[in-house]
Amino acid sequence: DTGVSQDPRHKITKRGQNVTFRCDPISEHNRLYWYRQTLGQGPEFLTYFQNEAQLEKSRLLSDRFSAERPKGSFSTLEIQRTEQGDSAMYLCASSLADYTFGSGTRLTVV
Amino acid sequence: AQTVTQSQPEMSVQEAETVTLSCTYDTSENNYYLFWYKQPPSRQMILVIRQEAYKQQNATENRFSVNFQKAAKSFSLKISDSQLGDTAMYFCAFMKYIIQGAQKLVFGQGTRLTINP
Repeated sequence: DTGVSQDPRHKITKRGQNVTFRCDPISEHNRLYWYRQTLGQGPEFLTYFQNEAQLEKSRLLSDRFSAERPKGSFSTLEIQRTEQGDSAMYLCASSLADYTFGSGTRLTVV
Repeated sequence: AQTVTQSQPEMSVQEAETVTLSCTYDTSENNYYLFWYKQPPSRQMILVIRQEAYKQQNATENRFSVNFQKAAKSFSLKISDSQLGDTAMYFCAFMKYIIQGAQKLVFGQGTRLTINP
């Protein structure tokens, strides 16, 4: 297991389209987090999973956003009806104690 | 709410010099953790150093050390003998417990550090 994997690395989409990102955490990590990082800023917390349960969501996560972690393994983050303001880096991290981050998915909405 | 402030958007030093990055934070909690993360162009956030607030001794990891001033809510990072590979964005972060032992990180705005040959 080489770390946290995120796919795709880059995504360009037209405004109004739906997009889905995938995160594969380190296999023994039961905690999984999603963060959003806009240009020139630090990451901001979006949501947290413990195993398959989504236990915490930020107010940043509007109703167009949905995240799942079926069977407590990989996770997906879907954005419906994308807007230009959704353009950002979406980072996934997993942990037992300290975080391990993935390399992120960079979303550009045109 | 916890906030983290990094007042230096960019810094630049020559290779082998020492550089200090500043960070202040605001919290009413007494027990917490502070971190410095490095984000190189490869984009992956890499943990540089962590500090437990209940420990008075400043954390050190090889060339990286912190100056933790709890009363002043200050947490600076010192990089000694800087190397070209230290070039990256550096983020200061505060760890906040949310639920069932899980933690979320509150990040500062970042400092872009460039090490020049």
